[in-house]
Amino acid sequence: AQTVTQSQPEMSVQEAETVTLSCTYDTSESDYYLFWYKQPPSRQMILVIRQEAYKQQNATENRFSVNFQKAAKSFSLKISDSQLGDAAMYFCAYGTYAGGTSYGKLTFGQGTILTVHP
Amino acid sequence: DVKVTQSSRYLVKRTGEKVFLECVQDMDHENMFWYRQDPGLGLRLIYFSYDVKMKEKGDIPEGYSVSREKKERFSLILESASTNQTSMYLCASRNSGQGARLAFFGQGTRLTVV
Repeated sequence: AQTVTQSQPEMSVQEAETVTLSCTYDTSESDYYLFWYKQPPSRQMILVIRQEAYKQQNATENRFSVNFQKAAKSFSLKISDSQLGDAAMYFCAYGTYAGGTSYGKLTFGQGTILTVHP
Repeated sequence: DVKVTQSSRYLVKRTGEKVFLECVQDMDHENMFWYRQDPGLGLRLIYFSYDVKMKEKGDIPEGYSVSREKKERFSLILESASTNQTSMYLCASRNSGQGARLAFFGQGTRLTVV
């Protein structure tokens, strides 16, 4: 079974600075997806960024980028130029391909609460 | 705009009551999921469904059951609610096939069992 570990329960950053959230996972599969989701106080899960395991290039979305190390099974999220609106709970998630017997299940880490200081 | 809608944002029920949490998606997705979210534990999968009337147990199915009579609706049932089922419940849906990269989530139901 897959597991996802976020070892940082809480992180904080000054506005406009950069912060990195850590995530490691364990799997025996070679093809999969990795995601970072943001959950603000509204509770709505918002997709921040995703990475397909077969792609070597790290995904980027504006101020958000990942450092995907497949051999080390590591998937960290870097937030540049942090903004007050980035404050939220962040979840790392592992996703199987939606076909086959796994039906696209997502396995989540424990979450990291990010505080942004003005 | 895609949508996953959960019937209640907040719910308070008594111990021993039968509780229904409803989830509806408008994206014609095959796969639907129920997660439970607790502090320090992240989201844990309770049950999922890959087709109408089909279901599979997730990681923590004890004390729960599900129903999927129509493709767009996936219900989570607490047969006899207990205080340790006080939690946040999140529904999600996702399409099938290798092109289906994204899961979409509802807004969550915070259930309190007293």
